[in-house]
Amino acid sequence: NSKVIQTPRYLVKGQGQKAKMRCIPEKGHPVVFWYQQNKNNEFKFLINFQNQEVLQQIDMTEKRFSAECPSNSPCSLEIQSSEAGDSALYLCASSPTYSGNTLYFGEGSRLIVV
Amino acid sequence: GMPVEQNPPALSLYEGADSGLRCNFSTTMKSVQWFQQNHRGRLITLFYLAQGTKENGRLKSTFNSKERYSTLHIKDAQLEDSGTYFCAAEGNSGTYQRFGTGTKLQVVP
Repeated sequence: NSKVIQTPRYLVKGQGQKAKMRCIPEKGHPVVFWYQQNKNNEFKFLINFQNQEVLQQIDMTEKRFSAECPSNSPCSLEIQSSEAGDSALYLCASSPTYSGNTLYFGEGSRLIVV
Repeated sequence: GMPVEQNPPALSLYEGADSGLRCNFSTTMKSVQWFQQNHRGRLITLFYLAQGTKENGRLKSTFNSKERYSTLHIKDAQLEDSGTYFCAAEGNSGTYQRFGTGTKLQVVP
């Protein structure tokens, strides 16, 4: 099954602190997606990349998150100033193509903002 | 309304029973993917469909783009089938996949 690796599995941050999560996509997958899953099981798309380029991102991500997928390094998603509402499971997925293909997910990074 | 509606939100089955989950789409979708989320949080891919029907062991999934729905059937439910199942669909304009809100399945002896 999926070989997407996400770290850390858990992180606990105070409000206002930065929270950084990393993702290593499957080898040979140039496309990476980040989703946020809240406690009500609602998934929110955050951002996607093809190689190092951002393809799409939502307004919240643009304003409050910093994300990148450098070549030869893990992708990362960082909340610049954590808020209580950011507590969620952050899921990374990779895919061989941008469209029309299976998404392979990691186990996620669970963020708790206290 | 929500682009992807998933039903039922919860389901309890006895071992050996059969049942189905359904996702309805508010617009025409290009493809659908079904996942089982395990207790660790990982989304395990069950099926990816651009059309038609696929089977894998006790599971079968159908995607009808024209009628705007997809189904997942579980036959002879086993205890290890317990978990939360999600569908996710990609719109025709090639945007990111949109998820349903899940079906929490509990299989009991």
